[in-house]
Amino acid sequence: GQNIDQPTEMTATEGAIVQINCTYQTSGFNGLFWYQQHAGEAPTFLSYNVLDGLEEKGRFSSFLSRSKGYSYLLLKELQMKDSASYLCAGMDSNYQLIWGAGTKLIIKP
Amino acid sequence: GAVVSQHPSWVICKSGTSVKIECRSLDFQATTMFWYRQFPKQSLMLMATSNEGSKATYEQGVEKDKFLINHASLTLSTLTVTSAHPEDSSFYICSARSPPFGGGGPQETQYFGPGTRLLVL
Repeated sequence: GQNIDQPTEMTATEGAIVQINCTYQTSGFNGLFWYQQHAGEAPTFLSYNVLDGLEEKGRFSSFLSRSKGYSYLLLKELQMKDSASYLCAGMDSNYQLIWGAGTKLIIKP
Repeated sequence: GAVVSQHPSWVICKSGTSVKIECRSLDFQATTMFWYRQFPKQSLMLMATSNEGSKATYEQGVEKDKFLINHASLTLSTLTVTSAHPEDSSFYICSARSPPFGGGGPQETQYFGPGTRLLVL
């Protein structure tokens, strides 16, 4: 079956670095997406990986290892506004997104 | 680019009435749109995939006669919640799949509308 696993909740301190892990199992693979969702709002696209390695985009980076079925989202220099849920989603061979339940990130001053 | 709008953003209605929600891709054409539902503090749940010019594909457990989807053009999909009941109260979010360019992400990226909050009394 298809499955996305990520931690339910994480806590980090303002200014620090946090890594949110995601493991995936999909029928075929067409990439791994990360979305950010603030409470009461719709998700917004953060990153996409389809090849192994690290993609850096400002304070956010995303990593993929296809052989391990593993990805992580790295957030640096954390700000209070980064408090949100982070959704990991794998795209299967039919280009359908398989969603994780999301990781709620709590930033403390 | 890749902006998706939804209307209305808030709906309060009486039990038994029907509610129509519109999803529009503003700056690109989307042959495929998706409808999600999200209850408080729960994850996104895909309800159906809407394909322009053809019937929607519903996920298991979603009543197609209750949640009517019409993808009339390449920029518009509508979700009608028929005979709404209090248990249908939720956050309904649409997304549109991006074209081969634009939006900041790769082809097949889903861009979300702002969502519609439905409260059925």
